[in-house]
Amino acid sequence: DAKTTQPPSMDCAEGRAANLPCNHSTISGNEYVYWYRQIHSQGPQYIIHGLKNNETNEMASLIITEDRKSSTLILPHATLRDTAVYYCIVRVGNQAGTALIFGKGTTLSVSS
Amino acid sequence: KAGVTQTPRYLIKTRGQQVTLSCSPISGHRSVSWYQQTPGQGLQFLFEYFSETQRNKGNFPGRFSGRQFSNSRSEMNVSTLELGDSALYLCASSQQGVNYGYTFGSGTRLTVV
Repeated sequence: DAKTTQPPSMDCAEGRAANLPCNHSTISGNEYVYWYRQIHSQGPQYIIHGLKNNETNEMASLIITEDRKSSTLILPHATLRDTAVYYCIVRVGNQAGTALIFGKGTTLSVSS
Repeated sequence: KAGVTQTPRYLIKTRGQQVTLSCSPISGHRSVSWYQQTPGQGLQFLFEYFSETQRNKGNFPGRFSGRQFSNSRSEMNVSTLELGDSALYLCASSQQGVNYGYTFGSGTRLTVV
C-alpha cells in the first residue's frame, strides 16, 4: 500500500500558486519524498524530491515539515498546462532495490 | 539526450496469447523498472532490474516476467493473456541510488480482446 495520503482533487486559478499537500506520517529516516505528475495517458513526469530540507527547482518547490510527516508541493504560478494528476511518493528501498509505490494522487484542475 | 523509449506504443492481442514489450533506457541509466496502470488499480510496480538482475518484484502472477540485457535495455513478457491485462505498461529508468528520480517512457497501451 502507498505510504502517502493526498486529497483526491484540488482547483486552482491560472496564475495563482497551487499548494498540494501530502501526508506521510510513517516515513522512515532514510526515505525520500518524490513528486511526479501525469498528464492524461502520458508517462509520469518527475517534478522534485527531498529528504529533509526544502527544495526548489525550475518547476516547483517542496516544503517538508521538520518532523517529516508531511510535505507540500508548490507550483508558484499555475498554468493550464499544469492540469494533471500529482503523485506524492515515498521511495521505499535501499541500494539493493527500489520501488515507487503510487497512491491515487491529487487531480489538480487549473482554470482561467 | 534521448528519453526512455518504449515499443510498440499500441498493441492488440487475443486472450491466451503472449506479448513482449521493449524498453530502452536513457543512456547511462542501469536501473529499469516496469509499472502497470489500469483505471481500477492505478499505477502498480511490476519489477525492477539492475545489471541484468531482478532486484525487486511487485505482487503480480508468474505470467509476468522480464529481463534486462547487458546494454540495459529491458523487455517484459506476459504469457497467457487475460482481459484484465489490458493496461498501459510503463517503463522507467534511473541512475543507481535512491537520490535519483526515475524517468518514465510514454508507455505501451496493451488491449486484450
